[in-house]
This record gives sequence, structure tokens and C-alpha cells, in this order.
Amino acid sequence: AQKVTQAQTEISVVEKEDVTLDCVYETRDTTYYLFWYKQPPSGELVFLIRRNSFDEQNEISGRYSWNFQKSTSSFNFTITASQVVDSAVYFCALPADMGRRALTFGSGTRLQVQP
Amino acid sequence: KAGVTQTPRYLIKTRGQQVTLSCSPISGHRSVSWYQQTPGQGLQFLFEYFSETQRNKGNFPGRFSGRQFSNSRSEMNVSTLELGDSALYLCASSLVFGVATSGNTIYFGEGSWLTVV
Repeated sequence: AQKVTQAQTEISVVEKEDVTLDCVYETRDTTYYLFWYKQPPSGELVFLIRRNSFDEQNEISGRYSWNFQKSTSSFNFTITASQVVDSAVYFCALPADMGRRALTFGSGTRLQVQP
Repeated sequence: KAGVTQTPRYLIKTRGQQVTLSCSPISGHRSVSWYQQTPGQGLQFLFEYFSETQRNKGNFPGRFSGRQFSNSRSEMNVSTLELGDSALYLCASSLVFGVATSGNTIYFGEGSWLTVV
């Protein structure tokens, strides 16, 4: 069954620290997509990245970077030089079992960045 | 480009009542899906609509229903509300339906916060 595990429930860092959010997944598919979303207090899920399992290159976007390791079924997310505005809940997701037409999400990691 | 718009943002209902939530997708997006988010169960898929047809449904009772209009706007309805229905209901839109095979990205709205008392 498709499953996403985000073992870190909550992380607290001080501004400018680097922080890594872990995501471990299980899938029976040989080709699949992985996603990260950010949920600020307003509630909206903000799309951050979509990664194809064929592409194991790390991705960097500004202060954000993602490390995809197919061998360990992990798709970790690092924020460099964190800022208070990064405080949010972060979700990792992949397509669900049901005809693979929906997303199954991890339980999320709450990141608190202290000034 | 406007994002996914959901109304109302906040509402309080009484047990036994029904509620209708509305969602306007991103312009040009034809697929709309709904998710329920609660502290206990996390994010769970409710259903997805494409071209006015329900394409997929999650494990929710029949009290939860939805529909999609010809302009791709969608509504979901919950009848005979229970306390456990208190949640954030998130609507998402995408160009086409299906997440896996196409890597189609879905974009979420801000959600409707429903409190049942």
C-alpha cells in the first residue's frame, strides 16, 4: 500500500539555522511522483515541488532543496538559513492506491522558526 | 492568475444540519478534488470530479456528496452533520484528473473551516 511517513512531528529552530524535514515513503509503483506542500496557519496547502521517480538529481530552489534517494525511499526537504516566514506545517505526499487519482499525505511536520 | 477559491472560509453548524461548501478552481482547470483535514486523521481524500462526473471517491459515508458544474466550479455537501465532521475542508484543482500517471499537480485553496456544535 502507498504510505508516507514523516516521523518528525515538530521541529523548532532559531532563525538562520538550516533544517531538514524527513519523508520516507512506501509504494508498489515502479514509476511515481512525490510532492511537498507547505501549510501556513491560513490553511492553504501551498505546492512546493513535484518530483518524478526517474529523476534522482537533487533540486534546489532558492533556500529550499530536496534530496531524493530512491534506494532508501526517502525524499527529504532542507531549508537553508530558515526564516520566521518558513514557520508552517510541511507535508510530503504521493499518489494513493485508489486508482492513483488522489494524494496520500504524511502526517506533516510542524516547523517553528524562532526569531 | 487567481488561485483556488473556497467559500465560506469559516462556518459553524449544529449537529443534524447540512452544509454546502463551494469551490472555484483555477481558470482552465477542469478537475476538482476535495480533502478533509482533521487533527486525528490528517488529510484524507473525499472525491474528485472531472467534466461534471465523479471520477473517484474516498472512504467516506454517503452523507458526503459533491457535484461539479459545467464551468468546473464544484460544491460539496455534508448532510446530517456530526461532531466528527468538524474539520478543514480543502478543495484542489488541476488541469486534468489523476495524479500518478501524468504527474499532474494539484493546487489547493485556503479551505473552509467547519465547526459542528
